[in-house]
Amino acid sequence: GQQVMQIPQYQHVQEGEDFTTYCNSSTTLSNIQWYKQRPGGHPVFLIQLVKSGEVKKQKRLTFQFGEAKKNSSLHITATQTTDVGTYFCGAGSYQLTFGKGTKLSVIP
Amino acid sequence: EAQVTQNPRYLITVTGKKLTVTCSQNMNHEYMSWYRQDPGLGLRQIYYSMNVEVTDKGDVPEGYKVSRKEKRNFPLILESPSPNQTSLYFCASSWEGGLGAGELFFGEGSRLTVL
Repeated sequence: GQQVMQIPQYQHVQEGEDFTTYCNSSTTLSNIQWYKQRPGGHPVFLIQLVKSGEVKKQKRLTFQFGEAKKNSSLHITATQTTDVGTYFCGAGSYQLTFGKGTKLSVIP
Repeated sequence: EAQVTQNPRYLITVTGKKLTVTCSQNMNHEYMSWYRQDPGLGLRQIYYSMNVEVTDKGDVPEGYKVSRKEKRNFPLILESPSPNQTSLYFCASSWEGGLGAGELFFGEGSRLTVL
């Protein structure tokens, strides 16, 4: 499957600060998906990006797919305690590969 | 309610004792897959199935078997479990794989400990 590297592994932020996680690949990706996993929970789909340069927003979350389709980012504006969890990117088709995830902690 | 159901949710077993983790989805999805999640390693795909009787290996298939005799079910079989298979397992399904793969719906997970 395709290889995706995700950074950072951990991020601690004060509530109200912004947060960004990045996924990078050495090869062109056909699509990229983002998931959130709350502590003790299962991954939940957030969004899928398919087009080069695509930008999608969901309230405080902004997702980007690079022009070369080799990288993607998830940005959260003004974090809240409900944003706590691990954010994963995933790429591929039938054989899906996930990044190792970024664990977000929000300090109230 | 649309869901992916895994059983058991928790299991402690001993080395060599065959076990099966069941997975069932009620969304008529064609694509199903199994993942294991380990600290520091993230989610790794074990096997996937594009449809009934069609299965293929993921990144870490060693020590596991699967079958897809019905569209809704995709059991994961550990013929002779070993301690390195201690992990959190997730089953997932979607309408299809392929380009522009659709949203994956995950089960709640099965935590397996092999002593």
